[in-house]
Amino acid sequence: AQKITQTQPGMFVQEKEAVTLDCTYDTSDQSYGLFWYKQPSSGEMIFLIYQGSYDEQNATEGRYSLNFQKARKSANLVISASQLGDSAMYFCAMREPNNYGQNFVFGPGTRLSVLP
Amino acid sequence: DGGITQSPKYLFRKEGQNVTLSCEQNLNHDAMYWYRQDPGQGLRLIYYSQIVNDFQKGDIAEGYSVSREKKESFPLTVTSAQKNPTAFYLCATSRRGQPQHFGDGTRLSIL
Repeated sequence: AQKITQTQPGMFVQEKEAVTLDCTYDTSDQSYGLFWYKQPSSGEMIFLIYQGSYDEQNATEGRYSLNFQKARKSANLVISASQLGDSAMYFCAMREPNNYGQNFVFGPGTRLSVLP
Repeated sequence: DGGITQSPKYLFRKEGQNVTLSCEQNLNHDAMYWYRQDPGQGLRLIYYSQIVNDFQKGDIAEGYSVSREKKESFPLTVTSAQKNPTAFYLCATSRRGQPQHFGDGTRLSIL
């Protein structure tokens, strides 16, 4: 079963506007973590933002914020004031404990294109 | 300079050949991971290791092997049993409860 769902294969946004990238997750654990990563065309994975399952406030990091709705199991990424350099693939990921330690599961990604 | 070093950046494999991808870290992280990424797709877990001399299979371990003899190193061997090895391979590390850090990746192609 898919544990991380990103329903938007591709998104377009005008430069300087805000954009929301959707992510829903599935877990029966009470303790877990949610992450967003950016992958430019060069291939490296860049960590953007983290939300713990017990954090009551939404995480923010500069122009990135995470809209965490625990009851709905959603963790959407909001990018404010989009820049041309934001064009990339964006992956939502979840850390969950397992019998061996911890594992990370990634969604299929959303390709964001910022238009001038 | 702290980080994760993957080498080589590009690698070519002949039919029937085993190749080994290197991943070295100096972040002192306990956990290390190998992922495979096909074009336009997400990351799929191949193997991961939480401690030295121990590792676990991920979702697509068939045709791959790993070792973890040192904390700093987690090499991945793509064996001849892996019939479709062309992909982008990413190594990651993490400390418990923290985000993963990634290397710059190795692109493997068939000759």
